[in-house]
Amino acid sequence: DGGITQSPKYLFRKEGQNVTLSCEQNLNHDAMYWYRQDPGQGLRLIYYSQIVNDFQKGDIAEGYSVSREKKESFPLTVTSAQKNPTAFYLCASRGLTGANVLTFGAGSRLTVL
Amino acid sequence: DAKTTQPTSMDCAEGRAANLPCNHSTISGNEYVYWYRQIHSQGPQYIIHGLKNNETNEMASLIITEDRKSSTLILPHATLRDTAVYYCIVSPDSGSARQLTFGSGTQLTVLP
Repeated sequence: DGGITQSPKYLFRKEGQNVTLSCEQNLNHDAMYWYRQDPGQGLRLIYYSQIVNDFQKGDIAEGYSVSREKKESFPLTVTSAQKNPTAFYLCASRGLTGANVLTFGAGSRLTVL
Repeated sequence: DAKTTQPTSMDCAEGRAANLPCNHSTISGNEYVYWYRQIHSQGPQYIIHGLKNNETNEMASLIITEDRKSSTLILPHATLRDTAVYYCIVSPDSGSARQLTFGSGTQLTVLP
């Protein structure tokens, strides 16, 4: 089945450490997105990429970094510069033609101790 | 500058129709109405979208008023598994999904 795989599902990290969240899709989608969700809140866009080797900042990119070396993969690094990294992180993808229909992964929950 | 307004929460009895309203009085001519839902601690799921005509698929129906300033998502026979946060979003149909803004949505609770 085609879909998006995020790993790990749960992650704990100490303050000052960088952590990388994985996002892999086998939908042959061109565009990929990273969102952050805090308890009881909506989703906020961190970074997005519409094509390999290109990506743009979203609304809350500070303290995060991404890469897009392969069409299938869009990893997110939460750096030590992110002041409040504890959150639920969601990856999504979309084909470049047609409607704004996003397919989401199951999410990664990061907790900073 | 919220583009949509939804009730914070709603309840519905299992087996009955769930009608979720959304106001989008400033919608532009090229903007579609999208609905997604998010079951607790999972990723959001696309439900349906439309421009001005009513739409139906295997999950739900979307009724858009003639002036396009509001819409209603209808789940015809709600089940306990439909308990989720429902997001109403307005966005152009094409281009980057960067324009999809997920607000707080409506928490629908289906009661047994």
